[in-house]
Amino acid sequence: DSGVTQTPKHLITATGQRVTLRCSPRSGDLSVYWYQQSLDQGLQFLIQYYNGEERAKGNILERFSAQQFPDLHSELNLSSLELGDSALYFCASSVGGSVGPQTQYFGPGTRLLVL
Amino acid sequence: AQSVTQLGSHVSVSEGALVLLRCNYSSSVPPYLFWYVQYPNQGLQLLLKYTSAATLVKGINGFEAEFKKSETSFHLTKPSAHMSDAAEYFCAVSDPGGGFKTIFGAGTRLFVKA
Repeated sequence: DSGVTQTPKHLITATGQRVTLRCSPRSGDLSVYWYQQSLDQGLQFLIQYYNGEERAKGNILERFSAQQFPDLHSELNLSSLELGDSALYFCASSVGGSVGPQTQYFGPGTRLLVL
Repeated sequence: AQSVTQLGSHVSVSEGALVLLRCNYSSSVPPYLFWYVQYPNQGLQLLLKYTSAATLVKGINGFEAEFKKSETSFHLTKPSAHMSDAAEYFCAVSDPGGGFKTIFGAGTRLFVKA
């Protein structure tokens, strides 16, 4: 158990819909990272937040957005969903932001299926 | 720009045989390097990391990796494979010159035959 929690574990929805994925980092960790993992694209970094502020951006679509709240939990919002958005979405957390190499602790993931 | 290449998307070994998973990186400065493992239906977990101390790094579950600057490699090895090692393995690089942003390789799936 990494100490990172993600809800829900599974999500089934329809094209065009909007969903919210939630992540609680390990106690004491200030950074949260979001990743998308699919068979064809592998593990893709989406976005990182550090202590409430966006720190780094990866291959995140404009239809996707995220935020980190004062209690440090984070939400990833996916809108206008398409079939290709079906994937495993992981959240990870680390102690720091970008000072020094960060060991990331991954949650169990949310499996999203868009029908 | 930093990047990571994992040679071989699938590797198959027999139980008891040597495991060798290859990782090459490119980075403008000496990087920090990680190996993560993902078991089925789970998130990634850290196996080991290189942070410019000893070039031979020992990790959990009997795995180790050697940083070779001249070859820009960080291959993962285990002397004797166990059935429980079957998983997907990701090499990752964190570049001090790039704000320590972590880039993951495409992953190598390890199969262990009885």
